[in-house]
Amino acid sequence: GAGVSQSPSNKVTEKGKDVELRCDPISGHTALYWYRQSLGQGLEFLIYFQGNSAPDKSGLPSDRFSAERTGGSVSTLTIQRTQQEDSAVYLCASSTGPGLEQYFGPGTRLTVT
Amino acid sequence: SQQGEEDPQALSIQEGENATMNCSYKTSINNLQWYRQNSGRGLVHLILIRSNEREKHSGRLRVTLDTSKKSSSLLITASRAADTASYFCATLAQGAQKLVFGQGTRLTINP
Repeated sequence: GAGVSQSPSNKVTEKGKDVELRCDPISGHTALYWYRQSLGQGLEFLIYFQGNSAPDKSGLPSDRFSAERTGGSVSTLTIQRTQQEDSAVYLCASSTGPGLEQYFGPGTRLTVT
Repeated sequence: SQQGEEDPQALSIQEGENATMNCSYKTSINNLQWYRQNSGRGLVHLILIRSNEREKHSGRLRVTLDTSKKSSSLLITASRAADTASYFCATLAQGAQKLVFGQGTRLTINP
């Protein structure tokens, strides 16, 4: 079956614009994660969805960041009023349950000019 | 603070040699996982080892876990150029639901 997909693969936007990043997890995976990775750095946790539970938003860096997961499947990460420090690769992952093996998408490289 | 920290930050060896990377963590864990990342994009899961396990093998990969020292090691035997990548450990703390990733070890295999 298909793996985790993300779109777009690359996004260049001007400072102050809003962007939406999309993640299609593996069908049937109940857990979905968003991470951010700056060049040469580790993964920074952003948000976690598990089934119908309230999402864990503890990693979102500011109120400009939000995410939703519709129908327990596709997720959208929205960044409002983008800043240059938002430039990074945004990675999505899904798993069959919390704390288990995560399957990652190829990421979206966001560049804010 | 970072739960998992890899050591060394960078490692360069000749093809055919063995590569060993270490991961240390601070709190009690449920499991520890190793991932590989090529070219700064998506990570690939390599091995999951549970807290009650001491060693696991997968092909040329061997992972050990020492919960008394709160550390794990990843050994890649007979390295190949294709093993060039960044390797991350990730820990699931007891009672937690999400993994915490370390900063990674950048491994370079020289032909």
